[in-house]
Amino acid sequence: QVQLQESGPGLMKPSGTLSLSCAVSGVSISSTHWWSWVRQTPGKGLEWIGEIYHSGSTNYNPSLQSRITISVDKSKNQFSLELNFVTPADTAVYYCARAVANTFHDWGQGTVVTVST
Amino acid sequence: DIQMTQSPSSLSASIGDRVTITCRASPGISTYLNWYQQKPGKAPKLLIYSTFILQSGVPSRFSGSGSGTEFTLTINSLQPEDFATYYCQQSYTTPLTFGQGTRLEIK
Repeated sequence: QVQLQESGPGLMKPSGTLSLSCAVSGVSISSTHWWSWVRQTPGKGLEWIGEIYHSGSTNYNPSLQSRITISVDKSKNQFSLELNFVTPADTAVYYCARAVANTFHDWGQGTVVTVST
Repeated sequence: DIQMTQSPSSLSASIGDRVTITCRASPGISTYLNWYQQKPGKAPKLLIYSTFILQSGVPSRFSGSGSGTEFTLTINSLQPEDFATYYCQQSYTTPLTFGQGTRLEIK
């Protein structure tokens, strides 16, 4: 059974860098899946942020590309998201997910990130 | 980006009813369309992928159809656990995009 668990700061100040990690269990992160980040806000709904393959190949949403980095740590079986220069508009529930053929088969429980002064 | 538009935004129905939710894609996406169910405070759950393939464990009262630009999710004989928000998502190309959601409420 594949399980994903996000971890992150919860509360951040504007202009900072958001760092989130997703611990994967039940499957090797080196398997033939893509590992994704998706966020959800009341205003914009579900938004795909980007994805990474175990080789390090990435695909990013152009709307966020200039501010994001997704990386993988095979030794810890986890992957991570960094989002720079956060604003209150980045307040959201952030999910990590396992994707097969651009379809999200497994999701983490989500972590709430609030950007506020 | 491919735009996904769901209708209706919300829907009231009774136990035992049959309901249909529509998702439109612009431009067309062949059959690269997925449906998710989300309950409050929980992550979305994959119901149907590639337009009509039921994810393992999903009850057969759920079905999907369509191609190109118009797709439907049908739920036959609504059960209490089906009241939730439903999202479509195109898996045709990145950036992957979702519909805005359809909230299914008990009448």
